[in-house]
Parts: sequence; structure tokens; C-alpha cells
Amino acid sequence: DIQMTQSPSFLSASVGDRVTINCKASQNINRYLNWYQQKLGEAPKLLIYNANSLQTGIPSRFSGSGSGTDFTLTISSLQPEDVATYFCLQHNSWPRTFGGGTKLELK
Amino acid sequence: EVQLVESGGGLVQPGRSLKLSCAASGFTFSNYYMAWVRQAPKKGLEWVATISTSGSRTYYPDSVKGRFTISRDNAKSSLYLQMNSLKSEDTATYYCATLNTVDYWGQGVMVTVSS
Repeated sequence: DIQMTQSPSFLSASVGDRVTINCKASQNINRYLNWYQQKLGEAPKLLIYNANSLQTGIPSRFSGSGSGTDFTLTISSLQPEDVATYFCLQHNSWPRTFGGGTKLELK
Repeated sequence: EVQLVESGGGLVQPGRSLKLSCAASGFTFSNYYMAWVRQAPKKGLEWVATISTSGSRTYYPDSVKGRFTISRDNAKSSLYLQMNSLKSEDTATYYCATLNTVDYWGQGVMVTVSS
């Protein structure tokens, strides 16, 4: 199984900060990586698919990069509504595996 | 409006069975692979099962393989998860989802496995 190691697990930042969250795959997953945002009490929501494609309706301050084993989600200018937990998901092979999550809070 | 509405959750004793349902509307259900994803209380997400559009192919992680069965009825736009031999570690909120670039999720249904 492919292990997805996400870091950091917790992040505190200020409004306007540039925020980066990382996911590392235990083996090559090409660009088959998605990023999800989950707000408290809600279902997850897709932000980025296939490593760097912005999902329809998602603000352009969100971006993704990477390929192979190392991936990054970047929020260019943190907004209060971005407080959430973020997860990566590899869909290169079965079983699908999620990263452990990054809880993002406002400083 | 797209809706995925899960039902069938509740409290069940270890070793017993439970069947979850997910009613889909607002999109062409039969065109999409469908999945179940779960989240234990205050924990991360875990993929549980995926089924192909026709239902001919199913996929599971080792943690549920042989105990859980995903199925679908395209005529009823419904997805199911039959869960047998339940364990305490299966306690979670279960979401049905497309898990696709066309991103639809239900609101989740809670399953508690406890004596």
C-alpha cells in the first residue's frame, strides 16, 4: 500500500500569510494526488485534483504542485474562511490512501 | 441540485451487521464510480470501498475486505454498504462520495459499534 505522509499535522498562521502543506508518498504516484478541505462538521470538499488542477469554484489563492512523491498545497494569502483541516489523497493505485491531515488555525 | 443522502447508521453490537444506503439525485448516478469514505471521531479520512459504474468491479482496503460489500442499484440511483462482523474500530461517520473530479459528498451517517 502507498503511505501518504502529510506535514505539518497542525499549523497556525495569520490572515494574509502564505501557507504551505506537504504530502509525501511512499512511492511514485505520478500526479495522481488530490487535496481536500474539511471544515468542522462538514463533508470534505475537493480543492485541487491531479496535483495542480484547481477545482471549479475554488478561489485562485489555492494552488497545488508536485509530482512523483512530493506534493504541496499552497494558500497564497490566508483568509479567515480557510480555517479547516486539509487532506491529501492518492488515486494512483488501490487501495486509495489519505494523508493524516493538517489542521489549520488562525494565529 | 445534487444530493447524496446516507441512511442506515446507528448503534450496533460488535460482530453484528449493518447496511448503509445512499440515495443520489441531481446527477446521472449511473455514469460515476462511487465510493464510501469513513472518518472515526476526531480522526482522519479512510477510504472504505469503490464500485464501478456497472457494479462489476469493486475495490476495498485490507481493513474491511471480506467483511464489507459495496453495491449499487442504478435504476434506483442508490449506493449501498453491507457491513458484517463489525468491530469497535469501524465506529465512524460514513460518507458516500464520487471521489472524483466531479466532487459530490453526502452529509455522512454515524455508525457506532459498541456493546
